[in-house]
Amino acid sequence: GAVVSQHPSWVICKSGTSVKIECRSLDFQATTMFWYRQFPKQSLMLMATSNEGSKATYEQGVEKDKFLINHASLTLSTLTVTSAHPEDSSFYICSARGDLGGTSRGYNEQFFGPGTRLTVL
Amino acid sequence: RKEVEQDPGPFNVPEGATVAFNCTYSNSASQSFFWYRQDCRKEPKLLMSVYSSGNEDGRFTAQLNRASQYISLLIRDSKLSDSATYLCVVAYNFNKFYFGSGTKLNVKP
Repeated sequence: GAVVSQHPSWVICKSGTSVKIECRSLDFQATTMFWYRQFPKQSLMLMATSNEGSKATYEQGVEKDKFLINHASLTLSTLTVTSAHPEDSSFYICSARGDLGGTSRGYNEQFFGPGTRLTVL
Repeated sequence: RKEVEQDPGPFNVPEGATVAFNCTYSNSASQSFFWYRQDCRKEPKLLMSVYSSGNEDGRFTAQLNRASQYISLLIRDSKLSDSATYLCVVAYNFNKFYFGSGTKLNVKP
């Protein structure tokens, strides 16, 4: 149980285009989803936290108009990188927390998607 | 000051060795502590949660020292397959998770 998928796993795009990344919890309801970015040889940096049905909370320094997050259902959150530039090239990873049914594990632990590698030319 | 600090390593150890990593955190209100493992170009996977009383899972032992604000991970009898980057994660309010930059471990034959 507790599987999170991401799509696409990698994407290459031209500068100025927008890219949408999907994050899905496949076998549980994700009340909270997190979006991270990881540059080479660096740690995961939290970009934003989203709760189903409400606006995302962005970390300081993350432009909410550039990184649009939608968490419309308990199993899906999307991150759209608008007008992508080469400096946005990174590894984007989502994670989810939620109800695993009969256990508190889901609320104390984050389950990560496999990540999306974005390259902007 | 970073929320979570780790020695980046790399730690190069022979198979069978015992190796320990430490991690310090700055927010005394932190509530939850974890060690994650990340293989190259893959997503992090939970290795173990760290409880106040410490916990052990096979060859892995985690300890928490709230007074000094650090957590540790001990790996005994290292295997080649333990080679990875180990991430220290500290959380508070269950919605703020902070990752250390990771400690790289290379276990050599």
